[in-house]
Amino acid sequence: GENVEQHPSTLSVQEGDSAVIKCTYSDSASNYFPWYKQELGKRPQLIIDIRSNVGEKKDQRIAVTLNKTAKHFSLHITETQPEDSAVYFCAAGFNKFYFGSGTKLNVKP
Amino acid sequence: GAGVSQSPSNKVTEKGKDVELRCDPISGHTALYWYRQRLGQGLEFLIYFQGNSAPDKSGLPSDRFSAERTGESVSTLTIQRTQQEDSAVYLCASTPRQGANYGYTFGSGTRLTVV
Repeated sequence: GENVEQHPSTLSVQEGDSAVIKCTYSDSASNYFPWYKQELGKRPQLIIDIRSNVGEKKDQRIAVTLNKTAKHFSLHITETQPEDSAVYFCAAGFNKFYFGSGTKLNVKP
Repeated sequence: GAGVSQSPSNKVTEKGKDVELRCDPISGHTALYWYRQRLGQGLEFLIYFQGNSAPDKSGLPSDRFSAERTGESVSTLTIQRTQQEDSAVYLCASTPRQGANYGYTFGSGTRLTVV
């Protein structure tokens, strides 16, 4: 099955700085790569996704990049704000999705 | 319904008892997934259903775990003879159809505590 690894496990940045979270996957059949944000005690919520035929996608302050050859994808958050503080999960798969172990992002005001 | 609904929201059970968790997906969503999230950890895939096809049970951790779904409606996840390591939040998600590159809509989860 798919194996998704995510780094770093924790990330602390100053408000206004950028944050980058990286994931790798093992199954070349994976063709969809969503990212979820989970605030404490709440359900994960989809924030952005990318499909295998696209190398980059941007939505306001959030961007994702995908390198299918190297089997890695990344989440980039620019101009971070305190409300960006949460745990972020990457996922990869085809039909069903496997999740990374999460990155706890802390944005210091 | 408007969202994915799970019940109960919290369940405390004694070790060795059976528990049943319920998920009501978004109306019209044909694919339904169950995940387990232990405290401070990621989401572990358990099982998924797509319409009337045979479910993919490849993530179920032991034969104490089973799930059912009738058509494209409610699903129940049953854990028999619960153990303390079963304590976790059990999340259900649905999508309009299997895979096809749709992000999950998750329910709010059932927090299971085995004492």
